[in-house]
Amino acid sequence: KNEVEQSPQNLTAQEGEFITINCSYSVGISALHWLQQHPGGGIVSLFMLSSGKKKHGRLIATINIQEKHSSLHITASHPRDSAVYICAVSTSYDKVIFGPGTSLSVIP
Amino acid sequence: KAGVTQTPRYLIKTRGQQVTLSCSPISGHRSVSWYQQTPGQGLQFLFEYFSETQRNKGNFPGRFSGRQFSNSRSEMNVSTLELGDSALYLCASSFGTGSLNTEAFFGQGTRLTVV
Repeated sequence: KNEVEQSPQNLTAQEGEFITINCSYSVGISALHWLQQHPGGGIVSLFMLSSGKKKHGRLIATINIQEKHSSLHITASHPRDSAVYICAVSTSYDKVIFGPGTSLSVIP
Repeated sequence: KAGVTQTPRYLIKTRGQQVTLSCSPISGHRSVSWYQQTPGQGLQFLFEYFSETQRNKGNFPGRFSGRQFSNSRSEMNVSTLELGDSALYLCASSFGTGSLNTEAFFGQGTRLTVV
């Protein structure tokens, strides 16, 4: 079993839909990141969480430390949101573990 | 404020050769982390440097090494290249130490192809 898992693996949505991507982990963490990777490779850090909830524009990220689970929500999705979303954790013993990524395609 | 700059963007090398990749962090950032991304293994942590010292290392063979200079620029070296080293190599910079313990900014990556 991987230490960081994401679901779904692939997601296709219609423009305007509400999207949720989930991340679960089995290790102790000091922080969790949601990353966005567009074709071409560049990665953008969307959120860094250690507790609670953060919002930036149409994006919302939540984390439940007790349940070892985080979600990334995209409201009013747009084709420019099409990308791979990666959950990454910085563990209590200072290692970084990445999830396998969720490939999102938003269709006009 | 300039972002994280990685050079070169693309590189083709032959098996057995060695390669050096460069990462210039955001001004004022003292931590540089390196990552390897392949289709089969996804993203994996290579190592982190802070104030010229390697703070943390992932599970990679000794052929992978790095260093950081006094201006925080970092280089990564891979010796005796193997076909499996073909990957996108990404670096990230942050102000504080601890791999992804603080907000990190990623470069565009160097795509290495070993033939």
